[in-house]
Amino acid sequence: AQSVTQLDSHVSVSEGTPVLLRCNYSSSYSPSLFWYVQHPNKGLQLLLKYTSAATLVKGINGFEAEFKKSETSFHLTKPSAHMSDAAEYFCVVSQASGTYKYIFGTGTRLKVLA
Amino acid sequence: DTGVSQDPRHKITKRGQNVTFRCDPISEHNRLYWYRQTLGQGPEFLTYFQNEAQLEKSRLLSDRFSAERPKGSFSTLEIQRTEQGDSAMYLCASSGRTSGYNEQFFGPGTRLTVL
Repeated sequence: AQSVTQLDSHVSVSEGTPVLLRCNYSSSYSPSLFWYVQHPNKGLQLLLKYTSAATLVKGINGFEAEFKKSETSFHLTKPSAHMSDAAEYFCVVSQASGTYKYIFGTGTRLKVLA
Repeated sequence: DTGVSQDPRHKITKRGQNVTFRCDPISEHNRLYWYRQTLGQGPEFLTYFQNEAQLEKSRLLSDRFSAERPKGSFSTLEIQRTEQGDSAMYLCASSGRTSGYNEQFFGPGTRLTVL
């Protein structure tokens, strides 16, 4: 069975300061891991994905995440927050084969303070 | 490539009525997924199609729910005798060989409100 835990339901940062959104996963298989962002009244947008290549993954808008198998973690970071980063972020795990269905975390709402 | 589209974007209905949602995936994608997202939660898997075959259904998909993908292109999700607990955002996603089967592209969703 697969599962994903987002450790913080809400995170607040000041504009220009680093962002850290935490995600731990559980998987019986070699997982694929993703971070998606959801802005209000918008669809889910892929930020980045890990699919067993490099463990440090760079995504769009300056985000990156590091796959750490020993810690079963896939935390999302950004060096400097921008007001436009305020949104809901979802960590996702899926099998690397078969149906590839997604298992979502419960989400982290990021608030960026001016 | 216009992305995944869903229709309608919003649906308000009274309890007990039937509703049907449509999803048009990216044209070359043969895999299609439905998810449901309730307020404050992450999306939850409902069902999966490969071409026209429905290959997996979640236990969340009660007998009142039915999904089809008759020609392996668009898909419909019908909810019969709606209940207030069905109020949610219904998301459709597709994937295909060209983009890698493990990357899903999501539509904007259909927000259902059952009064």
